[in-house]
Amino acid sequence: AQSVSQHNHHVILSEAASLELGCNYSYGGTVNLFWYVQYPGQHLQLLLKYFSGDPLVKGIKGFEAEFIKSKFSFNLRKPSVQWSDTAEYFCAVTSSGGGNKLTFGTGTQLKVEL
Amino acid sequence: SAVISQKPSRDICQRGTSLTIQCQVDSQVTMMFWYRQQPGQSLTLIATANQGSEATYESGFVIDKFPISRPNLTFSTLTVSNMSPEDSSIYLCSVEDRRQGIKTQYFGPGTRLLVL
Repeated sequence: AQSVSQHNHHVILSEAASLELGCNYSYGGTVNLFWYVQYPGQHLQLLLKYFSGDPLVKGIKGFEAEFIKSKFSFNLRKPSVQWSDTAEYFCAVTSSGGGNKLTFGTGTQLKVEL
Repeated sequence: SAVISQKPSRDICQRGTSLTIQCQVDSQVTMMFWYRQQPGQSLTLIATANQGSEATYESGFVIDKFPISRPNLTFSTLTVSNMSPEDSSIYLCSVEDRRQGIKTQYFGPGTRLLVL
């Protein structure tokens, strides 16, 4: 069965610091990878997704993620965070063997301090 | 992406009662999903609801506890039956968008349920 691991549960950064949130998945077949974000009091929103092609994908608000197949990873990055990036971030995966089932990681709570 | 609404947005219920949550989408979608997000935890898929067929439940979730209806391509309901405090959670519906052959799920705002 597919699974997703997010090792950073809570991250605190100062504004303008660089961000990298780890995401590893377990499934060895064809995968589709997603990062979702949940701002305080708001919906879960899609940040970016990877299906095929260029392993470096760019999303909204300056976020990007790199798919490294050999490491089963899809880490989220942002060169310079802002206070408004304070949110919970979820990595998720669907796979060729898992049908339409979207499996989520446990989430990373990011707090950006002024 | 589709615009998804849920009702109610939140509720406080007594144990032993049932609550039906509605999910409405502004466009026709084939696949709808129901998730649970327990306090401090990630999202867990409860079931997949396809129009015109029985919902498909994930391990640990049963139809008697979480009956689902999917009467048309824009609407679904999830009922949380015979509630206990352990059912306190956020319940979210999502829809699958298949534009350009890419399957992506988009989520509603959630229903925050507290069972006393």
